[in-house]
Amino acid sequence: SYVLTQPPSVSVAPGQTARITCGGDNLRVRDVHWYQQRPGQAPVLVIYNDKYRPSSIPDRFSGSVSGNTATLTINRVEAGDEAAFYCQVWDHDTHHPGVVFGGGTKLTV
Amino acid sequence: QVQLVESGGGVVQPGKSLKLSCAASGFTFRNFAIHWVRQSAGKGLEWVATVSYDGRDKFYADSVKGRCTISRDNSRSTLSLQMYNLRVEDTAKYYCVKHTGGSYSEPIERWGRGTLVTVSS
Repeated sequence: SYVLTQPPSVSVAPGQTARITCGGDNLRVRDVHWYQQRPGQAPVLVIYNDKYRPSSIPDRFSGSVSGNTATLTINRVEAGDEAAFYCQVWDHDTHHPGVVFGGGTKLTV
Repeated sequence: QVQLVESGGGVVQPGKSLKLSCAASGFTFRNFAIHWVRQSAGKGLEWVATVSYDGRDKFYADSVKGRCTISRDNSRSTLSLQMYNLRVEDTAKYYCVKHTGGSYSEPIERWGRGTLVTVSS
């Protein structure tokens, strides 16, 4: 089955830029989505289809994909950005189709 | 607004069964695929199952295949997950999750608050 690999943690100072990566085989041909989950809350979509932001998400959040790696970039990081972030794709495998999540990255500010 | 309200969680012994439900509102339920996603305490998100908008297509994670049945009632805007032969490792918060629509490659749009299942003797 398809696997997405994320670093367990990323630490950044307030005001700096955070980059969270998500690796997967031939990821550039898939649509990658990112979710933010603050402690005690349900996840929220922050980036969809590699690089698009829902209207409610600040433009400090951006996404990109190159080769086998998707990257979520958060500019001018704020304390309120501290959360777990998950990448996600749909696995079109004929025998094992389904939703695939990365293991999650804890962003510490 | 879109709402997904899960229910049915609780404490159950290993080997027993449990049925989770999800009541949807604020959107045209019959037009969207719905998923169940779970999360163990302090752990990451794990997809459990998906049902297509019309209920014809159902997909299951290997970890629950053969032990879970996902179904929906579009006339009542409800979703259910019947779980059998529960294991300790099924202990988690279970989220009912609305798909954006269209292809399964599209993102998950909205999450419920979840219902907690604890499997313990």
